[in-house]
Amino acid sequence: EPEVTQTPSHQVTQMGQEVILRCVPISNHLYFYWYRQILGQKVEFLVSFYNNEISEKSEIFDDQFSVERPDGSNFTLKIRSTKLEDSAMYFCASRPGPRGNQPQHFGDGTRLSIL
Amino acid sequence: AQSVTQLDSHVSVSEGTPVLLRCNYSSSYSPSLFWYVQHPNKGLQLLLKYTSAATLVKGINGFEAEFKKSETSFHLTKPSAHMSDAAEYFCVVSGGAGGNYGGSQGNLIFGKGTKLSVKP
Repeated sequence: EPEVTQTPSHQVTQMGQEVILRCVPISNHLYFYWYRQILGQKVEFLVSFYNNEISEKSEIFDDQFSVERPDGSNFTLKIRSTKLEDSAMYFCASRPGPRGNQPQHFGDGTRLSIL
Repeated sequence: AQSVTQLDSHVSVSEGTPVLLRCNYSSSYSPSLFWYVQHPNKGLQLLLKYTSAATLVKGINGFEAEFKKSETSFHLTKPSAHMSDAAEYFCVVSGGAGGNYGGSQGNLIFGKGTKLSVKP
């Protein structure tokens, strides 16, 4: 069964550094998402992406964050200047189309630790 | 606006006994509802989804959930718990306009999660 893959599984970065989290969504999916889960807290929506542009973003997704689909397969989340509070598990998800009853398929996540 | 409330942060059962994880939702239109499971150090796996075709939804690993509009609930059940069911379970509603219908690019709105422990 096709799956969403995320790399790396764990990223350790110094505060203030830039970090790029990578995702390969399922190949025939058109809608892509990033979520984060701070330790002990609920999973929170960051951003959705369709047709090479952001379609929706949360208030968490400020100017320090950006997303990109640099080629036909990868979907990346960049944090420009990391802060301690960016430490979290980041999940990428994808789904085939826009209908709300289509489930999103998640990757195993990238654990980001900011020192 | 949509939201979900998971009524228990932690549920502990004995192996072989029934599981009940409770979820209430709030939605201004027909919602899309899901249960996801997260095993330690793993991603989020879809257990089941409600698509309005049937109120009793069967999922993987023997889990099922019943959509009750009158109670705005979508509780997750399993007749007999197995040790491998120990994990965190999330009740999720699809956000954005349109619910089950076309036009939604709906981000997911997660409940706070219920940690299920299974004792031998």
